[in-house]
Amino acid sequence: SQTIHQWPATLVQPVGSPLSLECTVEGTSNPNLYWYRQAAGRGLQLLFYSVGIGQISSEVPQNLSASRPQDRQFILSSKKLLLSDSGFYLCAWSGVVTEAFFGQGTRLTVV
Amino acid sequence: RKEVEQDPGPFNVPEGATVAFNCTYSNSASQSFFWYRQDCRKEPKLLMSVYSSGNEDGRFTAQLNRASQYISLLIRDSKLSDSATYLCVVNLGGYQKVTFGIGTKLQVIP
Repeated sequence: SQTIHQWPATLVQPVGSPLSLECTVEGTSNPNLYWYRQAAGRGLQLLFYSVGIGQISSEVPQNLSASRPQDRQFILSSKKLLLSDSGFYLCAWSGVVTEAFFGQGTRLTVV
Repeated sequence: RKEVEQDPGPFNVPEGATVAFNCTYSNSASQSFFWYRQDCRKEPKLLMSVYSSGNEDGRFTAQLNRASQYISLLIRDSKLSDSATYLCVVNLGGYQKVTFGIGTKLQVIP
């Protein structure tokens, strides 16, 4: 069966520090991969999605970036965090016409 | 026009009431449709898929109207535990992304 792992679950980082969140999927090949952010009390905001290795589409311009170095690995990064980067970050994967499956999320607080 | 549109609510309903949510989508080529439930501070989880023929799971009924490009979710006999945000989701298929609506917040009141 397919599983998705996302870590860490919570993270507190100072303003200006770098960020790296990792997500891996098991049990499927060539998934579509997604990074979402959700501010408190708000809807899901799609940040990046990827349909293959090295293929990244950015939905919202910001100081975040994403990479997909391997088929089932998706990484969200920032060189310098801002206070406004605080939020709940969710990684997800989907198949060709399937639903999306989410990781458990990372709650990031930038202080 | 947004790809997937939902009324964000909140919908405040008494226990035992029937409540319905609608969602519209803009791309007529959309392939598959889903309703998700998201509890506070948790990841969204699949509630049910939505088929053209309609489908039912206990107190929940989902329907798809391709001609009018909307999907619906009906919850009968609402329970306190149904309080959550319900997200409408559309998959365009192939190398297209899955798109989520903003979600409709439901609060079931004792």
